Amino acid sequence: AQSVTQLDSQVPVFEEAPVELRCNYSSSVSVYLFWYVQYPNQGLQLLLKYLSGSTLVKGINGFEAEFNKSQTSFHLRKPSVHISDTAEYFCAVSDPRSSASKIIFGSGTRLSIRP
Amino acid sequence: DAGVIQSPRHEVTEMGQEVTLRCKPISGHDYLFWYRQTMMRGLELLIYFNNNVPIDDSGMPEDRFSAKMPNASFSTLKIQPSEPRDSAVYFCASSDRTSGSGTQYFGPGTRLLVL
Repeated sequence: AQSVTQLDSQVPVFEEAPVELRCNYSSSVSVYLFWYVQYPNQGLQLLLKYLSGSTLVKGINGFEAEFNKSQTSFHLRKPSVHISDTAEYFCAVSDPRSSASKIIFGSGTRLSIRP
Repeated sequence: DAGVIQSPRHEVTEMGQEVTLRCKPISGHDYLFWYRQTMMRGLELLIYFNNNVPIDDSGMPEDRFSAKMPNASFSTLKIQPSEPRDSAVYFCASSDRTSGSGTQYFGPGTRLLVL
């Protein structure tokens, strides 16, 4: 069975500072990995995804994530955050072999940006 | 495409009343998911459908909850009778497994308050 662990429930950072949101997954097989963002009072929106190939994945709004198979991690990074990045971020994993389209979500990390 | 559409966006009802939440998935998507999000329990998968057929309803909390998908463009989640502990945001999501990754696209959610 697959699982996802987001190590930080809340991350406060100052505006224009860099940020890293941590995500570790558990799986005995290859995986697809996702980061979703949820802005206040909105649904989840895909930020980026890793399917195969280059381990560095670039997403929307200047975010990127790096797949590290040996450390089973998929940390999300942004070099300089903006107030508008205030949101909750969810890491997620799915099994490419499965005929189902089920995604396992982490518990989320709330990113708060201080001016 | 308009994306996943959910209605109503907000619902306030009294304990014991029947509540029906509606979802229109993205045209052409073959999977539909219902999630519930609360502060205490985070994001929970309730049920999902493939080609209008329920595949896994193990996340449905109890018999008061039921979901249907009469055709490819419409699904409902019904709670009867509703209880205060059902208060949450309910999300519908859809995906197209044939596209490869099974990325899920979320609707804006229905915020339910049961008094």
